[in-house]
Amino acid sequence: AQKITQTQPGMFVQEKEAVTLDCTYDTSDPSYGLFWYKQPSSGEMIFLIYQGSYDQQNATEGRYSLNFQKARKSANLVISASQLGDSAMYFCAMREGNTDKLIFGTGTRLQVFP
Amino acid sequence: EPEVTQTPSHQVTQMGQEVILRCVPISNHLYFYWYRQILGQKVEFLVSFYNNEISEKSEIFDDQFSVERPDGSNFTLKIRSTKLEDSAMYFCASSVNLVRVDEQFFGPGTRLTVL
Repeated sequence: AQKITQTQPGMFVQEKEAVTLDCTYDTSDPSYGLFWYKQPSSGEMIFLIYQGSYDQQNATEGRYSLNFQKARKSANLVISASQLGDSAMYFCAMREGNTDKLIFGTGTRLQVFP
Repeated sequence: EPEVTQTPSHQVTQMGQEVILRCVPISNHLYFYWYRQILGQKVEFLVSFYNNEISEKSEIFDDQFSVERPDGSNFTLKIRSTKLEDSAMYFCASSVNLVRVDEQFFGPGTRLTVL
């Protein structure tokens, strides 16, 4: 079974609008962390936001927020006021409590148009 | 702002040759990682390294792969005898401490092309 599922291979959004990128995860470990990374066309991986499994509140970082619904095992990324520079691949990833590794989803390609 | 650096940015090699990919993690970080991303696919964990030994490795990380921290700053990934399917982007990452859910900072990647 996939540990991280991103069901949207591609998304379009108009500049200044908000967009939600979906991510669901599967783990039996009560302690885990969820991450979102941005990968522009240049290829580097840029950390955006982190949510811990015990965090009571949804994480926010500037225009990024994470809609964490623990019972549904979802960790959707919300980007508010989209900018042209937000066009990139976005990867959801999980790290389970007893491992070092990040497990990545297949990514969502976001394109922001004027 | 400190960052992870990787050299070279692009390496082309012949099948069967050895390659060494180099990384300089952020200076106060203690955990080091290698990931790879085959073109168009998701990022896959290869290995983690702490206190001069492998902490965890994936099934991809077979006997053809090795990692080393030859001095206080560099962290290397060696592929002994490259195969066509080793062509991928290789990312080095580092994190600061033992906290399991600590952020991993990624380098810009080395694109390896095996001919």
